[in-house]
Amino acid sequence: DTAVSQTPKYLVTQMGNDKSIKCEQNLGHDTMYWYKQDSKKFLKIMFSYNNKELIINETVPNRFSPKSPDKAHLNLHINSLELGDSAVYFCASSQVPKGWGEQFFGPGTRLTVL
Amino acid sequence: GQNIDQPTEMTATEGAIVQINCTYQTSGFNGLFWYQQHAGEAPTFLSYNVLDGLEEKGRFSSFLSRSKGYSYLLLKELQMKDSASYLCAVLTGANNLFFGTGTRLTVIP
Repeated sequence: DTAVSQTPKYLVTQMGNDKSIKCEQNLGHDTMYWYKQDSKKFLKIMFSYNNKELIINETVPNRFSPKSPDKAHLNLHINSLELGDSAVYFCASSQVPKGWGEQFFGPGTRLTVL
Repeated sequence: GQNIDQPTEMTATEGAIVQINCTYQTSGFNGLFWYQQHAGEAPTFLSYNVLDGLEEKGRFSSFLSRSKGYSYLLLKELQMKDSASYLCAVLTGANNLFFGTGTRLTVIP
């Protein structure tokens, strides 16, 4: 019954590796998002997808690439991981596009880069 | 750039009322959100204001003044479980959502 789920919950990896975080929502929402929350708890939007189309792409490094195989999934792939990528990554979804209305967040993925 | 300011930390007593302020300067405005986030958990939606005035929802109320670039979240009859971070977020004119750094509220007995 989980509305927005993410896997894995914890991810520990070495610098330079490539990793993916998966996100799925079963709410039938049109838009999904990825956020990064750093050690100071500052939450910053990275990407959003509406009907498989990227509609927000904040100034994040191109090492980060969102991939949406269908409306219910938005995965985050990260190449050549760096120490500064260590953070908690939240996936979210909303019924309406572009941030209007309530966003439902997943439980978060804590990424630690060593 | 976008600028959203909130106090970093607040402490209040169980049963009391607390007001968490948020001021913003953004490129356009399409609404303001308040989210609650307990330590180690995901943010959860509390309120959305797009027009001036007060929106009440149980023990929580949110106020907006667009002309002043100001909002507050009012929590009444504080409970210990209200200890959390409260995030103010503004939807800009370009429909991008920007979060403040959050206010960590500690409720004491």
